[in-house]
Amino acid sequence: AQSVAQPEDQVNVAEGNPLTVKCTYSVSGNPYLFWYVQYPNRGLQFLLKYITGDNLVKGSYGFEAEFNKSQTSFHLKKPSALVSDSALYFCAVRDRADTGRRALTFGSGTRLQVQP
Amino acid sequence: DTEVTQTPKHLVMGMTNKKSLKCEQHMGHRAMYWYKQKAKKPPELMFVYSYEKLSINESVPSRFSPECPNSSLLNLHLHALQPEDSALYLCASSQELAGGLGNEQFFGPGTRLTVL
Repeated sequence: AQSVAQPEDQVNVAEGNPLTVKCTYSVSGNPYLFWYVQYPNRGLQFLLKYITGDNLVKGSYGFEAEFNKSQTSFHLKKPSALVSDSALYFCAVRDRADTGRRALTFGSGTRLQVQP
Repeated sequence: DTEVTQTPKHLVMGMTNKKSLKCEQHMGHRAMYWYKQKAKKPPELMFVYSYEKLSINESVPSRFSPECPNSSLLNLHLHALQPEDSALYLCASSQELAGGLGNEQFFGPGTRLTVL
């Protein structure tokens, strides 16, 4: 079974400050990990993914995420937040070993609010 | 073309109506998905098509009927829906499913469905 947890419903940060959106996962094997962003009344946009290799993954719009196997985490980060980053962020996981399922499991989502 | 399009953007229907949602992609993706999303919740997987064949049905009620007429199109036929079926319906696509668990999904903007 695969699952993902986003422990914070909302994260507030001032513009220009660094931001972190937390994600932890549980899989029986090794994970594929994804971050998506959703703006109001829109579909999800892919930000970045971890497949293998470097633990620090860089993605769109200046976002990056660090894969930490020992802590089973994949936190999303950005050095300097913009007001336009305000949106709903979803972490998602696939278990490499669960080839029968082949579907993403999403976290509950974290609303990021960047104040001017 | 890296876009998934969905029509209509909004749909209001009565419980006795029959309607269809349409999704189209021209990225050559061979896996296509339907998700249902309630407000402030993560997307819930409904169906997955792989090479135009239904691969996953997440125990969705039969009042939802998916169809994949060709590799670029995905339909969701709706009949005798209930008010609790009101939600944002998202279509997504990705490169082939088999051996491609690390492929990200590209989402359309969604159809906002209201059932009266």
